[in-house]
Amino acid sequence: DAGVTQSPTHLIKTRGQQVTLRCSPKSGHDTVSWYQQALGQGPQFIFQYYEEEERQRGNFPDRFSGHQFPNYSSELNVNALLLGDSALYLCASSLRTSGLGQETQYFGPGTRLLVL
Amino acid sequence: AQSVTQLDSQVPVFEEAPVELRCNYSSSVSVYLFWYVQYPNQGLQLLLKYLSGSTLVKGINGFEAEFNKSQTSFHLRKPSVHISDTAEYFCAVIGAGTALIFGKGTTLSVSS
Repeated sequence: DAGVTQSPTHLIKTRGQQVTLRCSPKSGHDTVSWYQQALGQGPQFIFQYYEEEERQRGNFPDRFSGHQFPNYSSELNVNALLLGDSALYLCASSLRTSGLGQETQYFGPGTRLLVL
Repeated sequence: AQSVTQLDSQVPVFEEAPVELRCNYSSSVSVYLFWYVQYPNQGLQLLLKYLSGSTLVKGINGFEAEFNKSQTSFHLRKPSVHISDTAEYFCAVIGAGTALIFGKGTTLSVSS
């Protein structure tokens, strides 16, 4: 059973460019969340997708956008990249249950983005 | 608002010694607490979680944690650590909705 997969593993971009990161959830999961982990910090919640809609958003600017496809996979897009966007981007998948907040989020290995 | 404070940024221990990684939280909603481990250049792996019920939670790899509501703590413990336990450990609480709010992490370094 494949876990959460992310692509690419590493990426180098320059300031002002745009980037797209991809995530495939664990089999049977319907919800995808994205997190940004700066060096030496804990992950910070960007947003969550369920039923192809953004359901919840953290404190990130509109330059960060996403999408969820009918097969539950997801993309994270970042426009007008800044040096400060350099980080490890983690995708987590879960199965939405009636006990909101109780579901376990399973994380992928992440995409390491470097902005020069 | 929910928040998590991990009281120690680094914890060095010798192999086979016990260890405790400390975590305090604040939450104005139902408290769901998690500990995740991150090995170098990898994603996060769930160690254990507290949703309700028994305050002593057992997880993988011999780790356990105790939920203490009066002290708003969720400390992680292991009676005897191995070299392979060297990693970054994150405590997290569920914030609004289903977003995880993480602490800044504790680096556990196990030496022989």
